[in-house]
Amino acid sequence: GAGVSQSPSNKVTEKGKDVELRCDPISGHTALYWYRQSLGQGLEFLIYFQGNSAPDKSGLPSDRFSAERTGGSVSTLTIQRTQQEDSAVYLCASSPQTDYNEQFFGPGTRLTVL
Amino acid sequence: AQSVTQPDIHITVSEGASLELRCNYSYGATPYLFWYVQSPGQGLQLLLKYFSGDTLVQGIKGFEAEFKRSQSSFNLRKPSVHWSDAAEYFCAVGARGYNKLIFGAGTRLAVHP
Repeated sequence: GAGVSQSPSNKVTEKGKDVELRCDPISGHTALYWYRQSLGQGLEFLIYFQGNSAPDKSGLPSDRFSAERTGGSVSTLTIQRTQQEDSAVYLCASSPQTDYNEQFFGPGTRLTVL
Repeated sequence: AQSVTQPDIHITVSEGASLELRCNYSYGATPYLFWYVQSPGQGLQLLLKYFSGDTLVQGIKGFEAEFKRSQSSFNLRKPSVHWSDAAEYFCAVGARGYNKLIFGAGTRLAVHP
């Protein structure tokens, strides 16, 4: 079956512009995660959605970052007034409704802020 | 605090040699443990996982890992490395009912012919 997909694969923007990154999770997966991977770094948790519950936003680095998940499926991560330090690969993952939290990752969106 | 440590940032091995990548964790609950691999420009692919039971787990691509509770370790091994194994490897820890995975900083593996 289809895996997690993300779009765009690459995004170049100018400092101060807003960007939207999209994630399509695996069909039937109830949990969705966003991570940020800066150059040479590990994965930094940003936000987590589980079903209809309130999202866990504890990893969002500033109020310029927000995310929504519509209809329990597609998610959009929005970064407002982008800064150069926002340049990174943004990874999305989804997980089925189990206790084991096995996450399946998309290919990522590489964001470059000039 | 919960954390995952991968002590080796870079490792270089010759093709055909054995490999061990180290992972140590600090976690308050009974951990679930994962190893992921990331090839250049790709997302993360799950290699193997440990939830409970047999502490030696087998994964894809000939990898295995051993959970040692006394050492808080979950080291990844492969008896004979192939050039296609060159990638970055991430260890991660989670727990039942805990929605986040904590990732290590990764180990970049280079394979010499």
